Formats: sequence, structure tokens, C-alpha cells
Amino acid sequence: AAGVIQSPRHLIKEKRETATLKCYPIPRHDTVYWYQQGPGQDPQFLISFYEKMQSDKGSIPDRFSAQQFSDYHSELNMSSLELGDSALYFCASSLWDWVAGEVYEQYFGPGTRLTVT
Amino acid sequence: DAKTTQPTSMDCAEGRAANLPCNHSTISGNEYVYWYRQIHSQGPQYIIHGLKNNETNEMASLIITEDRKSSTLILPHATLRDTAVYYCIVSVGGFKTIFGAGTRLFVKA
Repeated sequence: AAGVIQSPRHLIKEKRETATLKCYPIPRHDTVYWYQQGPGQDPQFLISFYEKMQSDKGSIPDRFSAQQFSDYHSELNMSSLELGDSALYFCASSLWDWVAGEVYEQYFGPGTRLTVT
Repeated sequence: DAKTTQPTSMDCAEGRAANLPCNHSTISGNEYVYWYRQIHSQGPQYIIHGLKNNETNEMASLIITEDRKSSTLILPHATLRDTAVYYCIVSVGGFKTIFGAGTRLFVKA
């Protein structure tokens, strides 16, 4: 079965540079989430999108922005990179159930490892 | 979303059942209990979720107490590949998922 695809899998950037991470959800999934996981830490929710609109927001720095496109893929744009941005970035996708009024379980991608030097 | 409390770590012998507890005493009536696990640096993996009834799927069983203030995830026959961090998450099933500090399960041969 198709899974969530993230690209690139590894990215090395220097301080103050910009980075763009891409996420391709499972076909038919309409909701995308972004998480950041620093070394030895638990995943931290950044932001989510439903049907191309931002649906919820967590501890996402102002230097980061994200969007979901008409084909449901999503991109996380990170500017003025700092050493502390070095982390694993996970994207997840799910389906929103209008009848039940809830989202189904999330399926996570393999992550993008960002290293800022 | 309600806060959860889980043991920091647990051991389990291979082939035995692994019972992972979770306390969520402030859970609201419309909040679900979700379990995910993360095997070293891989993306978290959904295991199971429930509202108030016990649930079972091909991976695990979820037992929720009648007052819904705690739950137990049961892996019936743990294998070495079940070694992972297990996260218990309480959520209304919306667009935000807060991962707390999960339980690091070590399955030993």
C-alpha cells in the first residue's frame, strides 16, 4: 500500500539559509500534519492542513511557514535557519470523517533529517 | 486535550504479553485514547484507538477502564521488533496531536 512520501530524506544547510521540505500524503487523504523531533525528544506538533486550509497550529516558529496545495501535497518552508532547527521533521496524513466529525488515525512518513551547520 | 502519564520504561520477555498502562484522569467525554509507537528514528506508527469500549486489532488490544481514567495497551506476544517508544495520546480526534513522554518498551530474548 502507498505510504506518505517525504523529500528529501536528508538535508544539510548552513545557518541563515532556507530549506523546503516536501510531503506527499497517502492518496485520498485530505489532512496533512507536520512534526519536529529534536535529538532525544518526543515529536512536537507544528501545524496541520485540511483541504488546503490551515486547520491547527502548534509551536511553529514564525520563521517557518507551510501550505497544502491543490494536489494535497504540502511543503514546509524554513528560513533563517538556526542550529536548533536541526531535527527530524515528520509529515503525517489522515482522512477527515465528516459524519463522525473526527479525523482518522495518522500515517507518518519516514521523515526528513535536517542538519544545520 | 487531556494530559497522560505513562511509565518511563518497561521490560518484557519475548513471547510474553506486554501490558503498557496509561493514566488520563482528566479525560473528557468526547476524547479518544490513541496509541502510537516509534521504533528508533522511524516515523510514529498508529496502533489502535478507542473511546470507551475495549478494542482489538491485528496488532494489539486496548482496555479502557469503566471510568475512562486509565487504559492499558496489550501486545499479546511481544517480539524483539516491538521494542519501541509507545505513546498514549488523548484527543478529540481533531487536527492536532500532542505527543507526551511515552514508555520505552524493551523486549528481551
